[in-house]
Amino acid sequence: GQQVMQIPQYQHVQEGEDFTTYCNSSTTLSNIQWYKQRPGGHPVFLIQLVKSGEVKKQKRLTFQFGEAKKNSSLHITATQTTDVGTYFCAGRKGSGAGSYQLTFGKGTKLSVIP
Amino acid sequence: DARVTQTPRHKVTEMGQEVTMRCQPILGHNTVFWYRQTMMQGLELLAYFRNRAPLDDSGMPKDRFSAEMPDATLATLKIQPSEPRDSAVYFCASGGDRGNTEAFFGQGTRLTVV
Repeated sequence: GQQVMQIPQYQHVQEGEDFTTYCNSSTTLSNIQWYKQRPGGHPVFLIQLVKSGEVKKQKRLTFQFGEAKKNSSLHITATQTTDVGTYFCAGRKGSGAGSYQLTFGKGTKLSVIP
Repeated sequence: DARVTQTPRHKVTEMGQEVTMRCQPILGHNTVFWYRQTMMQGLELLAYFRNRAPLDDSGMPKDRFSAEMPDATLATLKIQPSEPRDSAVYFCASGGDRGNTEAFFGQGTRLTVV
């Protein structure tokens, strides 16, 4: 079945340092989404990427979708303590019934040291 | 403020007992997902529904788990009999009508089986 691998599993950074998490799929994706889960909370949608090579920015967050639509990354510039949480990528395959299925990576847990 | 509602928020039960978790998706959403979250496995897709019909429940242990949507406003996940290894946070999420929409998560049911 479809697998989505995400690395690293954990990342500890000093406040102000940058952070990047990477996501790789075993199959070509129709789109990829990113979610953030705060400690004790539930996953909350951040963004969706659809096009090959797409890059989107949200303030200090930059999201990329690979040319082959099998990998993606999330980069945070100058981390803040409010960035603490687990970041998940979630991929969707192409057409048919499987296009609704959302497969999550295991997430990258980010800790920010003040 | 539209949101996915899950009940109960917390459940402690003894091994062998039946557990029923309920989810009210966002009104108008046609896709409903059930995920299980553990430290070891991350977010695992158990089942998902489209227009109340199960599209994929291959991630669910069939001998003890069952998922249904009696109507468009209610999704249920049952475990019978429950086992300690079922202890996890169970999330319900709903999504819109197309295969490229985000998933809105409920706050989850934290299940502990002793």
